[in-house]
Amino acid sequence: GAVVSQHPSRVICKSGTSVKIECRSLDFQATTMFWYRQFPKQSLMLMATSNEGSKATYEQGVEKDKFLINHASLTLSTLTVTSAHPEDSSFYICSARLALAKNIQYFGAGTRLSVL
Amino acid sequence: GESVGLHLPTLSVQEGDNSIINCAYSNSASDYFIWYKQESGKGPQFIIDIRSNMDKRQGQRVTVLLNKTVKHLSLQIAATQPGDSAVYFCAENTSGYALNFGKGTSLLVTP
Repeated sequence: GAVVSQHPSRVICKSGTSVKIECRSLDFQATTMFWYRQFPKQSLMLMATSNEGSKATYEQGVEKDKFLINHASLTLSTLTVTSAHPEDSSFYICSARLALAKNIQYFGAGTRLSVL
Repeated sequence: GESVGLHLPTLSVQEGDNSIINCAYSNSASDYFIWYKQESGKGPQFIIDIRSNMDKRQGQRVTVLLNKTVKHLSLQIAATQPGDSAVYFCAENTSGYALNFGKGTSLLVTP
C-alpha cells in the first residue's frame, strides 16, 4: 500500500517553543492531507484538513494561529505547534488521501509531542 | 458528572477464539466505513472497508458487517492471534473526506 512518512516520531520541547511536524506521501500524490490529535486512551480527533495550495480548514475549537498548517506540494504537509504548552502534549497523526481514490486514506506513524 | 479521560472498552479473548468488535456510527448519510487497527505508539492501520450499498464484506480472517437500519458496524476476527492485540477503531467518512473515528475498543488476546 501507499506509504506516508511522518517526522519526527517523537519530540520533547520546552514550553513556549515551536515544533514542526512533517507529513510526506512517499509514492503518491495527495491532494488532501488531514491532521489528527489523539490523547491517551482516546480516539483520533480531526484538527484540520489541508489542501495543496490553499488554506487549511480547521475544526471547531482548533486555533489556526497556534497550529499552523502548510501544504506547499502534493507530497508534503507540515504542522507547526507554536508557543507549545504542556497541554499541547499529545500524539499527532497525519493522513493523506489519494488524489484519484477519494475515500482511501493512509496514515503516518504519528508524532509523540511532550512539552515540558 | 462525567469523568475526565475516557476509558477504552476492552475485549479479552483467548487465542484461537473468534472476536467480535462492535461500533455504532452517528451519521445516517455516511456511505463508507473503515476499520482500523492501532498498536501502541503507532498510526492506524487499514484493516477492511465497506460501502453502504453492502451489508457484509470479507477479508483474510476478518469480516465486516453493516446494519444501516440501526447504524451499527461490527468487525469479526476469526481465530484470533496474539498479534491481533491492539485498539480497533471504526471510522465513517464525512462530506470533506475526513474520517470521523469511533471511540475504539481494546482487544487483548490471551494465550
